[in-house]
Amino acid sequence: AQKITQTQPGMFVQEKEAVTLDCTYDTSDPSYGLFWYKQPSSGEMIFLIYQGSYDQQNATEGRYSLNFQKARKSANLVISASQLGDSAMYFCAMSENSGGYQKVTFGTGTKLQVIP
Amino acid sequence: GAGVSQSPSNKVTEKGKDVELRCDPISGHTALYWYRQSLGQGLEFLIYFQGNSAPDKSGLPSDRFSAERTGGSVSTLTIQRTQQEDSAVYLCASSLVEGQGGEQYFGPGTRLTVT
Repeated sequence: AQKITQTQPGMFVQEKEAVTLDCTYDTSDPSYGLFWYKQPSSGEMIFLIYQGSYDQQNATEGRYSLNFQKARKSANLVISASQLGDSAMYFCAMSENSGGYQKVTFGTGTKLQVIP
Repeated sequence: GAGVSQSPSNKVTEKGKDVELRCDPISGHTALYWYRQSLGQGLEFLIYFQGNSAPDKSGLPSDRFSAERTGGSVSTLTIQRTQQEDSAVYLCASSLVEGQGGEQYFGPGTRLTVT
């Protein structure tokens, strides 16, 4: 089974609109972390937002928020008021304990294109 | 402060040659990760270091791949007898916190092309 699943290979959103990028995960570890990264065409990987499995509230960072639904094992990224500069690949990742250390697994990514 | 740096930024090598890729993590970051990213694909985990030890080498594709980290800082990824399928961008990341909440800071990557 895939540890991290991103079912949307590509998404389009109109500038200034909100968009949700889906991510589901699979783990039996009660303590884990969920991350979202952005990779523009330049190739750099940029950390966006983090959610811990025990966090009671959804994480927010500026225009980014993480819709964490623990029972459904989903950690969707919501980008509000999309900007042209948001066009990029977005990767969901999970950190979990594996044999006494932290293992990080990335999803296959979603390519977001913002339309002017 | 300085971020994660990697060298070289680009490497073209002939099939069968050995290559060394270097990663300088952010000072003080104890966790270091190597990933491989093929064109248009996600990140493939290769190896993880906590300090100088590598508790997880499970992602290394074959015994041609090895990595070491010295002094809890610089890491080198070595690929012996390179093959064309080794062509990819090799990304290094470091993390301050071991465990939850340890977001990774990535280097710019080394683009390896095996001809």
